[in-house]
Amino acid sequence: GAVVSQHPSRVICKSGTSVKIECRSLDFQATTMFWYRQFPKQSLMLMATSNEGSKATYEQGVEKDKFLINHASLTLSTLTVTSAHPEDSSFYICSATSGLRYGYTFGSGTRLTVV
Amino acid sequence: SQQGEEDPQALSIQEGENATMNCSYKTSINNLQWYRQNSGRGLVHLILIRSNEREKHSGRLRVTLDTSKKSSSLLITASRAADTASYFCATDAGYTGGFKTIFGAGTRLFVKA
Repeated sequence: GAVVSQHPSRVICKSGTSVKIECRSLDFQATTMFWYRQFPKQSLMLMATSNEGSKATYEQGVEKDKFLINHASLTLSTLTVTSAHPEDSSFYICSATSGLRYGYTFGSGTRLTVV
Repeated sequence: SQQGEEDPQALSIQEGENATMNCSYKTSINNLQWYRQNSGRGLVHLILIRSNEREKHSGRLRVTLDTSKKSSSLLITASRAADTASYFCATDAGYTGGFKTIFGAGTRLFVKA
C-alpha cells in the first residue's frame, strides 16, 4: 500500500532557530500534500495545502512567512518552521494523495518541542 | 478551520458494549473518512464512505452518512480495551484550486476492561 515517510519523528530545538520537517511519498506520486498541526487533546488543524510545483495555499490565520512549505517534486514536501517559539511546540503531520479518488496516506507525525 | 463538530467529545464504556460517535459537517463533500489516533501517535485510516453511499461496514465498524443532514456516525460493536483512542471524522471539500481534507473535533473513547 501507499506509504508516506515523515521525519524527524521528534525534534527539540532552541527558540529562534528553524526546523525543517520532511514528508516523502515512497511508492506513489503525491500531487497534493497537506500539512496539519495538532495541539494536545485537540483535533488536527489544516495549515496548508500544497500542489506540486505551485505555491501552497494557507488556511486563514496561518503565517506564510513562519511556516514555509515547499513541494518541489512529486514525492517530497517540506515544512520549515522559521524562528520557532515555544508556542510553536506541537505535533505536525502531513498527508499525501495522488488524487481524490485514491485516498490519502498520512505520515507518522513530528513532535516539535521548542525550548 | 474545522468542518464541524463531533459528539460526544468523550465517551466511556465497558468492554463488550457498543460505541457510537457522531460527526456533523458544514459544506458539501465528496467523501467522509473516519480515523483513529492513539495518544501521541499518527492516524490510522478506518473507513471511507462516499457521498453517494449511505452505509458501510468493515469488521466491527459501521459507518452511516446522511448528506441531507450533513452528518455521519461511527458505530464500533463489541468494543475492546484496545479500541481506546481518539476518533476523528474528516471530510473532503472542494475549494478554488482543488480539494482539502478537514477534520472534526474528535471523540475520545475509553473502553474499560
